[in-house]
Amino acid sequence: TQLLEQSPQFLSIQEGENLTVYCNSSSVFSSLQWYRQEPGEGPVLLVTVVTGGEVKKLKRLTFQFGDARKDSSLHITAAQPGDTGLYLCAGVLRPSNTGKLIFGQGTTLQVKP
Amino acid sequence: DVKVTQSSRYLVKRTGEKVFLECVQDMDHENMFWYRQDPGLGLRLIYFSYDVKMKEKGDIPEGYSVSREKKERFSLILESASTNQTSMYLCASSLWFTSGQETQYFGPGTRLLVL
Repeated sequence: TQLLEQSPQFLSIQEGENLTVYCNSSSVFSSLQWYRQEPGEGPVLLVTVVTGGEVKKLKRLTFQFGDARKDSSLHITAAQPGDTGLYLCAGVLRPSNTGKLIFGQGTTLQVKP
Repeated sequence: DVKVTQSSRYLVKRTGEKVFLECVQDMDHENMFWYRQDPGLGLRLIYFSYDVKMKEKGDIPEGYSVSREKKERFSLILESASTNQTSMYLCASSLWFTSGQETQYFGPGTRLLVL
């Protein structure tokens, strides 16, 4: 069983559409990170959310951490082909003295021109 | 910029061979990690190390061992490769855990095929 459940696992949309990716758990996290991975490369950090209810924006990407710190979402407005990639959520469980990241299964996003 | 390099992008090995995957980081990070990535399963932690000669098992350590003789280098060893170890292997590094917010910096990955 996955501690962090990501949905959907695959998403294929047209350029200009909006989308939301969800990351859910029954466990509480100290922080939650979102990474993006392009083919042939390692994941790259997009954002870290720390406070329950926190919202962070990165251009057309909006990240939210749930009030109870058990879930997070990534919303992309007006998706572009350059947003294509694998999106991974990852969290540090509370309590943790190792800082180990728990990863979700990932969401593969394809944005068609 | 942080740089994490992995010795090979692609490897093809035979069942039973001993396989070494090398990872080097240039940012003086204390922590280093080895993950494997399989479709639908995300990244799963194999081993991590928080200091030279220190190692901790991750979630799927069976069939693997690691070595960290120098701070910048972390090696993953498959003692006797098996076909179910065909996967993408990712190395990462980060600063010492202080806030739980540390960024992990990943290498480009090694795609290993075991025949």
